[in-house]
Amino acid sequence: SQQGEEDPQALSIQEGENATMNCSYKTSINNLQWYRQNSGRGLVHLILIRSNEREKHSGRLRVTLDTSKKSSSLLITASRAADTASYFCATDAYDKIIFGKGTRLHILP
Amino acid sequence: ETGVTQTPRHLVMGMTNKKSLKCEQHLGHNAMYWYKQSAKKPLELMFVYSLEERVENNSVPSRFSPECPNSSHLFLHLHTLQPEDSALYLCASSQRTSADTQYFGPGTRLTVL
Repeated sequence: SQQGEEDPQALSIQEGENATMNCSYKTSINNLQWYRQNSGRGLVHLILIRSNEREKHSGRLRVTLDTSKKSSSLLITASRAADTASYFCATDAYDKIIFGKGTRLHILP
Repeated sequence: ETGVTQTPRHLVMGMTNKKSLKCEQHLGHNAMYWYKQSAKKPLELMFVYSLEERVENNSVPSRFSPECPNSSHLFLHLHTLQPEDSALYLCASSQRTSADTQYFGPGTRLTVL
């Protein structure tokens, strides 16, 4: 069964707005990671949050983790055209990493 | 994307052809991975190598044959593929285990005719 699932599947917002994506998972984890993928390219690691952390920032990215709800959110502030990509959460369970299906984010000019 | 390279970037092959995908990592990592990414499906882990030994094979058909001659190089040998094998094949590496941050190559877009 799928460990991590992102929501929504697709999101379109105007440039400058904030984008929020969510990830839910099923089992206990050690950490959760977010990756970005531009069309037809490899994934790029964005941020890792450990199970004992609740919030983490990196530039315009803000990640939260709620282990009681088994969910995480990725917030991109002041979106730019270059943020158009697919975003994946990846959870580690049983010493292996499992990717979700991703959220396709489209930034409208 | 830097640090992990993949060749070729695009490959078109017939079902009777034999081809190989190559991955090289320059990060000094000990683990390497092959993933398959098809449209509207989650990333599928195919093979995991740790210190050049295969540690995981997620029930991949035998028409896909991996090879890891050293910790920096990983190959995926392809033969008698099917059209449904058309996908983006991604290579990744990590320091130690698959739970560590993974660094991905740009992928090989494979089309099987």
